[in-house]
Amino acid sequence: NAGVTQTPKFRVLKTGQSMTLLCAQDMNHEYMYWYRQDPGMGLRLIHYSVGEGTTAKGEVPDGYNVSRLKKQNFLLGLESAAPSQTSVYFCASSYTGRRTEQFFGPGTRLTVL
Amino acid sequence: GENVEQHPSTLSVQEGDSAVIKCTYSDSASNYFPWYKQELGKRPQLIIDIRSNVGEKKDQRIAVTLNKTAKHFSLHITETQPEDSAVYFCAARGAYSGGGADGLTFGKGTHLIIQP
Repeated sequence: NAGVTQTPKFRVLKTGQSMTLLCAQDMNHEYMYWYRQDPGMGLRLIHYSVGEGTTAKGEVPDGYNVSRLKKQNFLLGLESAAPSQTSVYFCASSYTGRRTEQFFGPGTRLTVL
Repeated sequence: GENVEQHPSTLSVQEGDSAVIKCTYSDSASNYFPWYKQELGKRPQLIIDIRSNVGEKKDQRIAVTLNKTAKHFSLHITETQPEDSAVYFCAARGAYSGGGADGLTFGKGTHLIIQP
């Protein structure tokens, strides 16, 4: 099993450009999450999904959109990138939502110039 | 929403000594408290977790305690080794909101340094 994978690993964007980050999991997990990690801030939840076709906002959703068209994939989109979105993005998944381990992907380092 | 405070931000201990990291949370309905270890440039990995119906859990050199009344939980690492050097994050998950499942709320992390 590959677990949770993320594509790409690194990306540099110019302000105003758009991009999509892909998260894939092969553990048949129902729940998937997108977090961002900034120095000294820990990880903060952007959006999450409790199943195929569903999405919900987390703590810091502004400037991001997500889609869960297939159970195994969770996409994070930036329509018009801003320097404040420079961060490391982690995807995670879990079997259910309550009291179960979240497995993290390797992260995507995004720089917006 | 949930708020998690973590202390200290940096902790330096001698190899072989014990390390304790403390977290407090605000939502009394929170029921799941995991601890993650993150090495430089790597993904967070779960090292231990505790559920709200348990006061203490131990796994070899690592233990976690939970005080629901005071709304705080702690990570204890005994007989520290060089490979314990990393950033440790506590987290809490609240009760369901609107029928959905919230993600974890993380503390800001503790950089644990093991001095040889």
